[in-house]
Amino acid sequence: DTGVSQDPRHKITKRGQNVTFRCDPISEHNRLYWYRQTLGQGPEFLTYFQNEAQLEKSRLLSDRFSAERPKGSFSTLEIQRTEQGDSAMYLCASGEYEQFFGPGTRLTVL
Amino acid sequence: KQEVTQIPAALSVPEGENLVLNCSFTDSAIYNLQWFRQDPGKGLTSLLLIQSSQREQTSGRLNASLDKSSGRSTLYIAASQPGDSATYLCAVRPNDYKLSFGAGTTVTVRA
Repeated sequence: DTGVSQDPRHKITKRGQNVTFRCDPISEHNRLYWYRQTLGQGPEFLTYFQNEAQLEKSRLLSDRFSAERPKGSFSTLEIQRTEQGDSAMYLCASGEYEQFFGPGTRLTVL
Repeated sequence: KQEVTQIPAALSVPEGENLVLNCSFTDSAIYNLQWFRQDPGKGLTSLLLIQSSQREQTSGRLNASLDKSSGRSTLYIAASQPGDSATYLCAVRPNDYKLSFGAGTTVTVRA
């Protein structure tokens, strides 16, 4: 499979818990992006990596959010002390010129 | 800040009719533009990529045009089928990395 994969596909958690999502990009892609999508809206940019370096972070990425891409391969997005407003679809994409998206992780915070 | 608008928000057509989906953006200095399809609860599938220097791009029944000077792109889907029912998203790349998305047009093709 040469597409972008994300795990888990669905996550239900209680308010205040920490959650971590994983993204595996297309293997030859150096750039990896995270977006967040709420119901009825288009995705919004969160952050991106060039290899292992995190080069840009949106103001949407509060200090409760952290993203890493060790060794420039897979990436993780962690949300600490989740809030109900964090409920959304978290999308990962990779690609230099054209962006290819994964299936997303649907987060529900109760 | 780049603003992307898609009109209409929803569209319902009988099978066989041609679809015309509109996208407008506020800043004409774009890197490229992508059209995506999204099925309910799923990720995004890239349909067409138009470089900033191109005027149109075609793939099968899909054709997308780009007019940077007026800040518009149009996606045409010929001879629609029920399987074309989905949300179509326009995304503008204003710089070297991030995409700015519209809210999408939800299409229903009636059999």
